Amino acid sequence: DVKVTQSSRYLVKRTGEKVFLECVQDMDHENMFWYRQDPGLGLRLIYFSYDVKMKEKGDIPEGYSVSREKKERFSLILESASTNQTSMYLCASSLFGSGANVLTFGAGSRLTVL
Amino acid sequence: DAKTTQPPSMDCAEGRAANLPCNHSTISGNEYVYWYRQIHSQGPQYIIHGLKNNETNEMASLIITEDRKSSTLILPHATLRDTAVYYCIVRVGNYGQNFVFGPGTRLSVLP
Repeated sequence: DVKVTQSSRYLVKRTGEKVFLECVQDMDHENMFWYRQDPGLGLRLIYFSYDVKMKEKGDIPEGYSVSREKKERFSLILESASTNQTSMYLCASSLFGSGANVLTFGAGSRLTVL
Repeated sequence: DAKTTQPPSMDCAEGRAANLPCNHSTISGNEYVYWYRQIHSQGPQYIIHGLKNNETNEMASLIITEDRKSSTLILPHATLRDTAVYYCIVRVGNYGQNFVFGPGTRLSVLP
């Protein structure tokens, strides 16, 4: 019954490495989101996408990029990982529209940058 | 953007009802109130949402005041597994895409 799948539950990378976090949803949702979660700071939106090849910056896009080549897949890319990007990364998806649309989250990817 | 205010923490005895309040005094007429919870090291889980009327599902009840400026999530018979951080969210954004998460309420269900 898994609906939003994040490719890696735990990752350890070194400073300067390029990191890909993959997210796939099977609910045919138009919207997809990437958040990061840090103690005391809550969930903060990095990027979101409301259609294939479309992307919008969230609150903290610096140091990140995203890719949405297919409707079901939304990738978060760290071009050159830094230690301050150590965090829990959460992917989510929802239907498009301004009405009542539930946001469904994946299990999260905990990234450690050494 | 409509924002929410929740108490940082609450305790509840196992088997009793847990009532979690949320203030959203700047909510606009077409914005929904959503509740999510997050158990440690997992992704947030959807609980319930509502617009004007009270709502109930298998997990919880949502009571929204008539002026819509506040709401209460009710877990009727709290169990130890309900210990989590609970988030009250009002949808914002041009097309309602963005969900803004505040710090939430840390609910501890005590045996």
